[in-house]
This record gives sequence, structure tokens and C-alpha cells, in this order.
Amino acid sequence: TQLLEQSPQFLSIQEGENLTVYCNSSSVFSSLQWYRQEPGEGPVLLVTVVTGGEVKKLKRLTFQFGDARKDSSLHITAAQPGDTGLYLCAGVDAGNNRKLIWGLGTSLAVNP
Amino acid sequence: GAGVSQSPSNKVTEKGKDVELRCDPISGHTALYWYRQSLGQGLEFLIYFQGNSAPDKSGLPSDRFSAERTGGSVSTLTIQRTQQEDSAVYLCASSLWMPVLAPNTEAFFGQGTRLTVV
Repeated sequence: TQLLEQSPQFLSIQEGENLTVYCNSSSVFSSLQWYRQEPGEGPVLLVTVVTGGEVKKLKRLTFQFGDARKDSSLHITAAQPGDTGLYLCAGVDAGNNRKLIWGLGTSLAVNP
Repeated sequence: GAGVSQSPSNKVTEKGKDVELRCDPISGHTALYWYRQSLGQGLEFLIYFQGNSAPDKSGLPSDRFSAERTGGSVSTLTIQRTQQEDSAVYLCASSLWMPVLAPNTEAFFGQGTRLTVV
């Protein structure tokens, strides 16, 4: 069974601080996605990384896919209260009918 | 419709009753997922439908849970003899088939059904 482990599970920081969220697995994924979920809503896709070692930037968010395509990180620079939410990573299991495998999420609170 | 639609948005039921939750995926999406989410927690996988393949039911927590997808479109999640521990938000998501050469396919979520068993 493929698993994605996210860490930390909870994170509470002050506005302006930097943070990194990790998504790790012992399995290889054909691609990995990061989603953000706000209260009362479903998760919304932020980015997809495909190539080992790939780095993508979305304003203050930087996403990296590990060289072996088993892990990924999300780094937020100068966090703002609007970044508050649940961040979820999901890997595409190429060997299981393209099923998405989800991490349990990192709940981020950015305090003003 | 423009997005994934779930109904009802809220459901309060008495312990022991059966409930049906409905998901209307985006037209043309062959993949459909059901998840359960407790407050502030991550997604608990329940079941996955992909085209005409046999559904992946490996996440269903007990035989009280079942799901169908009719005509490759609308899906219904049924919980029989509900228990208080079934209380959660039930999320449905759909996506296009994710071929290896098109990995940027996004999963679109509905807003969920909040189930409360009293």
C-alpha cells in the first residue's frame, strides 16, 4: 500500500515567518500535486510537479519534487494570514489505475 | 454544471437510519472519488471509480457503506444503520483520466455533505 506522510501535522506561526511542509513516501509517483483547503470548501489544486528535481514557484510558494520522485516540499516565504488553511499533497499512482494517494495534510495557521 | 455538485449540503439523521449522499461530477470526468473528512483532518479515502473498471472499494470502513456510479456519471454513497462515528464531511471529487503523458489533470471537489448522526 502506498502512503504519503506529511509533516508537520499542525503549524502555527506569526505573519512574516517562513515555513516548509514536507510530503514523503517510500514509493515513486508519476506526479505529485499540492492542494489547499479552506474551511467549508473542498481542496483546490495549487500545483502539479512531474519531473524529479523540478521546482515550481507560485508567488511566495515554492514547490519541489525530489530527484527520485518519492517526496516533495512546499516552502512559503513571508507567510500571511491569507495562507491559513489545510495543505494536502497527493501522488498519482501510475500502477493503480491513476488513483490519487493523499497525505493527511498540514493545518497551517498564520497569526497577524 | 460548471463544477462538482453534492447534495444535500447538510444532513442530520438519527442513529440507525440509512442515508444517501449524491455526487454529480463534472461532465466527461471518468474518475470519481469519495472521501470522508473529520474536522481539521485530512482526507480518508473511501472508494474510487474509473471508467468501466471495477471500483476500488478498499477504503470503505465497513459493510454498512456502499457506493454506486450509474452510467459513468452520478454517484450515490449509501450508509446503512448510521452510527455516531459516521458523522463527518463526505467529499466527492472527479477528474479526467490521468494518462502518464498528461499528469497535470486536476481533481475537482464538491463542497461536501456534512453528515451529523444524533
